[in-house]
Amino acid sequence: GAVVSQHPSWVICKSGTSVKIECRSLDFQATTMFWYRQFPKQSLMLMATSNEGSKATYEQGVEKDKFLINHASLTLSTLTVTSAHPEDSSFYICSASGGESYEQYFGPGTRLTVT
Amino acid sequence: AQSVTQPDIHITVSEGASLELRCNYSYGATPYLFWYVQSPGQGLQLLLKYFSGDTLVQGIKGFEAEFKRSQSSFNLRKPSVHWSDAAEYFCAVEWGAQKLVFGQGTRLTINP
Repeated sequence: GAVVSQHPSWVICKSGTSVKIECRSLDFQATTMFWYRQFPKQSLMLMATSNEGSKATYEQGVEKDKFLINHASLTLSTLTVTSAHPEDSSFYICSASGGESYEQYFGPGTRLTVT
Repeated sequence: AQSVTQPDIHITVSEGASLELRCNYSYGATPYLFWYVQSPGQGLQLLLKYFSGDTLVQGIKGFEAEFKRSQSSFNLRKPSVHWSDAAEYFCAVEWGAQKLVFGQGTRLTINP
């Protein structure tokens, strides 16, 4: 089946710094990628949708200047958390869809801790 | 607004027993419904989905779900659980252009 990877799997950064999370579709071309945020013991919340070569569409309440999303190729999307603060600590999950299947394939997630 | 409710935060069943995880949704149109399973260190895996047609949907790993429009429900069932089924289960509804709204999740524990 289709595989989506995320890197890094976990990261610790200091408050005020920026951190980049990569999401890759390993064996298919992802025309659309999605970024979710999951708080402990809570549901996944959609942050934004990105189509290859286009600007990302952000959900209401998500700061586009804080969470920069780039979908430069059909196999790679990146999420950059800029000027991170402790409240940005969370589990970030990407998913990708493309090709003939309508299904979204999810990455394993990246745990971000901001100290 | 669309929403998904999973009333049970945590369920414990014995290995070999039957399982039913509840899911209720609120959505104005005919919903696309999904059940995903999340295991530690792994991405969410699709168990099954309902788009239209037969309201009883078969999925992977022996799971099935039944769409009941009158009750706005899409409950997940398995006749006999295995220890490997211990995980977090999420129900989701698609509300447009593949955008998913997830329920709060149900954590399943299996007693040996």
